[in-house]
Amino acid sequence: DQQVKQNSPSLSVQEGRISILNCDYTNSMFDYFLWYKKYPAEGPTFLISISSIKDKNEDGRFTVFLNKSAKHLSLHIVPSQPGDSAVYFCAASANNNNDMRFGAGTRLTVKP
Amino acid sequence: DAGITQSPRYKITETGRQVTLMCHQTWSHSYMFWYRQDLGHGLRLIYYSAAADITDKGEVPDGYVVSRSKTENFPLTLESATRSQTSVYFCASGRGGNTGELFFGEGSRLTVL
Repeated sequence: DQQVKQNSPSLSVQEGRISILNCDYTNSMFDYFLWYKKYPAEGPTFLISISSIKDKNEDGRFTVFLNKSAKHLSLHIVPSQPGDSAVYFCAASANNNNDMRFGAGTRLTVKP
Repeated sequence: DAGITQSPRYKITETGRQVTLMCHQTWSHSYMFWYRQDLGHGLRLIYYSAAADITDKGEVPDGYVVSRSKTENFPLTLESATRSQTSVYFCASGRGGNTGELFFGEGSRLTVL
């Protein structure tokens, strides 16, 4: 069963606008969440993370929001740039466990 | 250069053959991981290792064998490949614990005919 879900396989936005990528999880034991970015023919690279004790973490153009009651997190990219075009994976883990679970990914396309 | 490398990058094999995917990291990270990426499933953990000679099953371990005799190497073996094991395999390393980011290799695309 998929404990981390990214229900939007793809998202297309205009350059300069905001990109919002969503992620839902079912396991209430998850206490750490990460976003990874993947370009074609490359491995995923870490983008940003958030602990369950916080509801927001910001790093430059990237902000992750966590809503524990809804078991939902989102990644905001503002402003979006063509170089942001990639597949974004949401990941979660629980209790210092190394069994990190990933979502299916969302392909973001930023149009010039 | 420091990093994590996988070999081969591409492999075609036949059902029933044994295949080994290699992974080597130069960061001296304690933890190493093997994931497979399939459409609609994202990345699923196959096995991971906390240190040399210590390995644990992940979400989808059946049909795979791992070993870790040296900290820097973590090979993944398919003892008798099946078509359902056609996938892209990613090796990763990290410092461990769920607050640590993972560093991924470029992936090995395996096709089982």
